[in-house]
Amino acid sequence: DTGVSQNPRHKITKRGQNVTFRCDPISEHNRLYWYRQTLGQGPEFLTYFQNEAQLEKSRLLSDRFSAERPKGSFSTLEIQRTEQGDSAMYLCASSLGAGRGEQYFGPGTRLTVT
Amino acid sequence: EDKVVQSPLSLVVHEGDTVTLNCSYEVTNFRSLLWYKQEKKAPTFLFMLTSSGIEKKSGRLSSILDKKELFSILNITATQTGDSAVYLCAAGPRAGGTSYGKLTFGQGTILTVHP
Repeated sequence: DTGVSQNPRHKITKRGQNVTFRCDPISEHNRLYWYRQTLGQGPEFLTYFQNEAQLEKSRLLSDRFSAERPKGSFSTLEIQRTEQGDSAMYLCASSLGAGRGEQYFGPGTRLTVT
Repeated sequence: EDKVVQSPLSLVVHEGDTVTLNCSYEVTNFRSLLWYKQEKKAPTFLFMLTSSGIEKKSGRLSSILDKKELFSILNITATQTGDSAVYLCAAGPRAGGTSYGKLTFGQGTILTVHP
């Protein structure tokens, strides 16, 4: 399967714990995006990478959130000191470079903070 | 603040009906309008539209963009139960602006097709 993959698929954690999610994009895609989706809403943009450079972060991304893409391939999203409001589906998407705007999504990581 | 609004929020039809889903947008430096289908998993890509008035078609699905009136429609003809899903509309900016390609999504239209 050459689509976007995400791990883990589900994560249950206690409030205050740190969690880390991983995203592996489609291999030839140099752009990688993180979105968050809550029930009944469309995905909300969190952050975006072109190769290893993080080019934009949403205001939604508080200082408890950090994302990396160290070698321009896979990316990680870490949430420190989780809160119940962080419970959501975290989606990763990837796309080719300029002029090819369609983004392809991974299966998502569902986070539940108890 | 970029905004995408979809209507209706939900729609219930019977197999064989034709449906039209609406999407209006206000996005700085608009470049593209995308439609996705979401069943209990991640969104799957349907269409990307960048030019006004040119219909894109895939089987029973078609979509068109009006850049003057800032809206798009998604049509599904001869609906089937397998079309039941949330349909998401998203707008993206021109590359090279202050937003490098983030998509702003609407809330989605929940389509339910009964046999």
